[in-house]
Amino acid sequence: RKEVEQDPGPFNVPEGATVAFNCTYSNSASQSFFWYRQDCRKEPKLLMSVYSSGNEDGRFTAQLNRASQYISLLIRDSKLSDSATYLCEASGGYNKLIFGAGTRLAVHP
Amino acid sequence: DAGVTQSPTHLIKTRGQQVTLRCSPKSGHDTVSWYQQALGQGPQFIFQYYEEEERQRGNFPDRFSGHQFPNYSSELNVNALLLGDSALYLCASSSLGWTSGRRYEQFFGPGTRLTVL
Repeated sequence: RKEVEQDPGPFNVPEGATVAFNCTYSNSASQSFFWYRQDCRKEPKLLMSVYSSGNEDGRFTAQLNRASQYISLLIRDSKLSDSATYLCEASGGYNKLIFGAGTRLAVHP
Repeated sequence: DAGVTQSPTHLIKTRGQQVTLRCSPKSGHDTVSWYQQALGQGPQFIFQYYEEEERQRGNFPDRFSGHQFPNYSSELNVNALLLGDSALYLCASSSLGWTSGRRYEQFFGPGTRLTVL
């Protein structure tokens, strides 16, 4: 079993849709959680940190569920420009910086 | 403020050769981590350098080695290249430490795309 797992997708959604991604992690000692966006053949770019209390940045909302060991990313009012691969990272402090394989999102007109 | 920079952007090598990739961290960052990203996969952690020492290492063979210089820049060396080493090699920089119980965010460079023939 992979340490961090994501549904690879692709998620094909129309503009304006709401889409949610989940990411599960197996290491209960994981302490830091992040979502990244990666465009084709580019580097990952930090999208947002994920806190136990949840956090929101515009159309993006991230949640952490420690009991079930998953993090989620919700995108509201999807734009064409949101099309990308979304990577989650669950890490135990300085150690073991672990990424999922990514979930591909395709937003169509 | 320059972000993380990497060189070269692309590289083609043949099996058995050796390669050195370079990374300059974002201004103010002291920690450099290296990742290998194969097509369709997430980044795989190779190792992390802080204060010129390797602090953490992922599941990569000794053919992968690195170095950090006093100015915090870093090199990744791969010896005896295999076809399977073809990938995007990413460098990420951050500040080592924690704020409010969370690790500082890391920022990625544009990567070096290595092709091994």
